[in-house]
Amino acid sequence: DGGITQSPKYLFRKEGQNVTLSCEQNLNHDAMYWYRQDPGQGLRLIYYSQIVNDFQKGDIAEGYSVSREKKESFPLTVTSAQKNPTAFYLCATSRAGTGGEGANVLTFGAGSRLTVL
Amino acid sequence: AQSVAQPEDQVNVAEGNPLTVKCTYSVSGNPYLFWYVQYPNRGLQFLLKYITGDNLVKGSYGFEAEFNKSQTSFHLKKPSALVSDSALYFCAGRGRRWSGAGSYQLTFGKGTKLSVIP
Repeated sequence: DGGITQSPKYLFRKEGQNVTLSCEQNLNHDAMYWYRQDPGQGLRLIYYSQIVNDFQKGDIAEGYSVSREKKESFPLTVTSAQKNPTAFYLCATSRAGTGGEGANVLTFGAGSRLTVL
Repeated sequence: AQSVAQPEDQVNVAEGNPLTVKCTYSVSGNPYLFWYVQYPNRGLQFLLKYITGDNLVKGSYGFEAEFNKSQTSFHLKKPSALVSDSALYFCAGRGRRWSGAGSYQLTFGKGTKLSVIP
């Protein structure tokens, strides 16, 4: 998990509240990702950012928002529009976004577990 | 469409025995395939990847994987299992999701829980 800091590790949210998960990296990687992990479902891509001030929706972006104002930071906001937000959220980075031999080898943070009360 | 299948939810193996964790894939273009491992309440760690070349790929912690194009498989193997290998293993394949920047993304299998019994 070295080089990527996710916080908080555990978070509890009441229904109707927005929450923001932090992801900071010191690996100098260009690309950053947010994945959601549910038991028995693998990882699903929420958002992806290849460069500062640019990001793309992944497979399950509804109810989530992101920003990429700095290369090092890619926070994820879970909004009240996300109907089933309880999950384990993983931030990842890669040296380059796509293409090339080294691309898409992801480095992951330790994750944030969100529980809706 | 891209898909990666891990047909076994759980694999049990005795310590010292060889282990295999299975993965089959269906991805567009040339297959770029990966194995990651996850320990409880942690992020995933990269084990190995196949891009081109030799069908037998060697990775971290003594793991290797065999790429078989005709069977569209990429099984993870280790000659002698350790108790510390017990973890959740994910196979992933790179495929094109959309046009434009960042179009290639990983599709993950659902994971296989490996338990190595002392």
